[in-house]
Amino acid sequence: DGGITQSPKYLFRKEGQNVTLSCEQNLNHDAMYWYRQDPGQGLRLIYYSQIVNDFQKGDIAEGYSVSREKKESFPLTVTSAQKNPTAFYLCASSGAGTKDETQYFGPGTRLLVL
Amino acid sequence: GQNIDQPTEMTATEGAIVQINCTYQTSGFNGLFWYQQHAGEAPTFLSYNVLDGLEEKGRFSSFLSRSKGYSYLLLKELQMKDSASYLCAVRDYNAGNNRKLIWGLGTSLAVNP
Repeated sequence: DGGITQSPKYLFRKEGQNVTLSCEQNLNHDAMYWYRQDPGQGLRLIYYSQIVNDFQKGDIAEGYSVSREKKESFPLTVTSAQKNPTAFYLCASSGAGTKDETQYFGPGTRLLVL
Repeated sequence: GQNIDQPTEMTATEGAIVQINCTYQTSGFNGLFWYQQHAGEAPTFLSYNVLDGLEEKGRFSSFLSRSKGYSYLLLKELQMKDSASYLCAVRDYNAGNNRKLIWGLGTSLAVNP
């Protein structure tokens, strides 16, 4: 089955620690995205990547970093510089050249920083 | 600027029909998406409109009027499992990258027995 996986589903970290969230897709999609979702707010784009070895900042990139060394993988690191990291993190991917380039989401990782 | 408006909450009865509206303001409209998101879960894709008119998919239909900057999602024969948040998102080719979406805050729909 093709899809997007994110792990872990829940993640607890102490304040001041960096943490890396995993995102893997086997849909052969070129583009991948990281969003953050907070209660009462819409989805906010953190970073996105259109091709391997290339990525761009989204609307709220400060305190986050990403890499895109493989087409299938787009990990997100939440650094200690992120002031309020507790949130629901969603990874998505979309296929280039398709009619609508619909974004499909992984199940998400809920990060709680104590 | 770019803006998407949706009602915050709606309530409907099982078996009924409900219409969720979305209005948008963008400088370079290039498609509108509807997603469903159950509490604690990720959004799932429902529909895509880029031309004016109605797209039907089973119990769900989505309508677009580009001249009015308006879309609606129509849910028929409501079921309890349709209780969820419904997100409207617009692709704007003037938003810096054609693949970026502008997201509404979502409409929380409660279906009552």
